Order: sequence, then C-alpha cells, then structure tokens
Amino acid sequence: EVQLVESGGGLVQPGRSLKFSCAASGFTFSDYAMAWVRQAPKKGLEWVATIIYDGSSTYYRDSVKGRFTISRDNAKSTLYLQMDSLRSEDTATYYCARHVNRYNYDYFDYWGQGVMVTVSS
Amino acid sequence: DIQMTQSPSLLSASVGDRVTLSCKASQNIYKYLNWYQQKLGEAPKLLIYYTNSLQTGIPSRFSGSGSGTDYTLTISSLQPEDVATYFCQQYNSWPLTFGSGTKLEIK
Repeated sequence: EVQLVESGGGLVQPGRSLKFSCAASGFTFSDYAMAWVRQAPKKGLEWVATIIYDGSSTYYRDSVKGRFTISRDNAKSTLYLQMDSLRSEDTATYYCARHVNRYNYDYFDYWGQGVMVTVSS
Repeated sequence: DIQMTQSPSLLSASVGDRVTLSCKASQNIYKYLNWYQQKLGEAPKLLIYYTNSLQTGIPSRFSGSGSGTDYTLTISSLQPEDVATYFCQQYNSWPLTFGSGTKLEIK
C-alpha cells in the first residue's frame, strides 16, 4: 500500500524558515517524481514544486522560486521542502504527492495527509 | 499561466441524478486535463486523468470528456458518498494549475 506521511509543519514568523519532510513507503520511491501541492485555508489547490526521480531536475512556481527548495533522499525514501523567507501568503496545508509523468500522462496519484504551515507574527 | 475556470462553484443535486461539472481552460490544453475529488478534511484523490481515463478503483459512474478548452466531469448517478469538492487540473504547460473547484452537495 502506498503511503505518504508528512511531518514538520507548524507556526513560523514571517521571514523565517521551515523545513518539513514526507516519508514514502509501499512503492519504489526512486522510480517516481514527487511534488508538493498546497491549499490555503478554504481555498483551492496550488502546485508548488516538483522534483524528478533522481533529483537532477526541479520545477517551481514563480511565487516560491528562490525561496523554496524541494529535495529528496532516495536512500531514505523521503521528500523534503525547505521554505525560506516565509510570507503570510505561504500559509497553507502542504501536501506531498507522487507525481506520475510519462507518455501523455501527468498527474498526482497518491497524496499525503497534509501538514499545516501558518506564517504569522 | 493557464487559468482554469470551473462552474458552477456550488451544485446541489439529488441522489440518483446525473451531474455534470464544467472546467474551462484559458487556452487549448489538448486534453491534458485531470480531475480530483476532495472530501471534507481529506487529501485530494485522483479520479480521471488525460480527460477520460478512469483511475484504478474509481467507480464507473464517474466519467470525463472534452477537448480544446472545454471539459466535463459527469457522475451518472449521484451517490451520498460523492459529496465533495471537485477540482480540474491542467498539465499542458508549467506551472501546473488547478481550477477553483465545484462543491457538490446532496439536495
């Protein structure tokens, strides 16, 4: 059974940093791209970043480029998101998701339970 | 960025009804369109990928169609467990973008 378990969210002041992780199990982690998708309170979904299977390429939305870093440790089957220079608009639940990208297909087929990040003074 | 517009934002229907949710892209996305279901307090779940391919384990009452800029998700016979918010998502170009969602309720 595929499982994605996030940890490490919390309350952080504007301008500060936060890093959280997503532990994967039930599939060969190193075979898949992974992504972070966020959802502000009572809002829609917003793709944040994707890292390909071996970590050699990463993709970010413009609003987090230069502030957020997605990374992975395939030996530990763990995905990370380092968030620096946090802003109030980064307040959201952050979901870890398996990102399938092959042929004509590109989708998030498994999601974690989400970790809440609140940026506030 | 490609804008995804979903309508209606709120839909109320009766059990057994045929329900159609709409998603319109700001430009041609060549069928590169997925649908997700999110129940209250839960993570999203993939329903349909590449416009009309049903994800494993999803009931056959869910189906997708469309082309160009206009796409639909259809539930052939609404069930109580289908109460949720439904999001479309395009992958024609980066950044990947989602619609704002259609909240589906039982009348």
